[in-house]
Amino acid sequence: SQTIHQWPATLVQPVGSPLSLECTVEGTSNPNLYWYRQAAGRGLQLLFYSVGIGQISSEVPQNLSASRPQDRQFILSSKKLLLSDSGFYLCAWGDRDEQFFGPGTRLTVL
Amino acid sequence: GNSVTQMEGPVTLSEEAFLTINCTYTATGYPSLFWYVQYPGEGLQLLLKATKADDKGSNKGFEATYRKETTSFHLEKGSVQVSDSAVYFCALKAMDSSYKLIFGSGTRLLVRP
Repeated sequence: SQTIHQWPATLVQPVGSPLSLECTVEGTSNPNLYWYRQAAGRGLQLLFYSVGIGQISSEVPQNLSASRPQDRQFILSSKKLLLSDSGFYLCAWGDRDEQFFGPGTRLTVL
Repeated sequence: GNSVTQMEGPVTLSEEAFLTINCTYTATGYPSLFWYVQYPGEGLQLLLKATKADDKGSNKGFEATYRKETTSFHLEKGSVQVSDSAVYFCALKAMDSSYKLIFGSGTRLLVRP
């Protein structure tokens, strides 16, 4: 069965610091991968998706970036965090039938 | 473009009450439709889905019917429990190869004993 790992589970970072969130998937090959953000009390916003290694599509302009160095690894990064980057970050993998979500990373920028 | 509209919450019900959470969508063609549930502090779990018009998705006592004529996918449950307290998201899947999901804003359900 498929499993999605995300780490860290929680993170507190100062404004202006860098960010790296990692997501890995097990039990599937060549999945589509996704990064979503959920701001406090709000819905889910798709940030990036990837249909293959090195292929990244950005949905929303922002100071975040994503990379997919391996088939089952998806990384979300920032060079300088903003207060508005606080939120709950969810990684997901999907195929033509459905999407499966990881446990999420709660990021607080102070 | 594609979009999903959900009723705003929070929805507060007593245990064993009937639940309806409205969801309507705008899309080109006939996308697959989903309901996801998010329990406090957790990620999203697929609750149910429907892939074509008139399909009924069901799971854990929840049901939703894909209504093409009204472009709706309302979530219902006949008798809610305290353990159903969570945030519910309606979503549709893009019909291109990205398979990305477009979510509604979510509806928080609070069930009181």
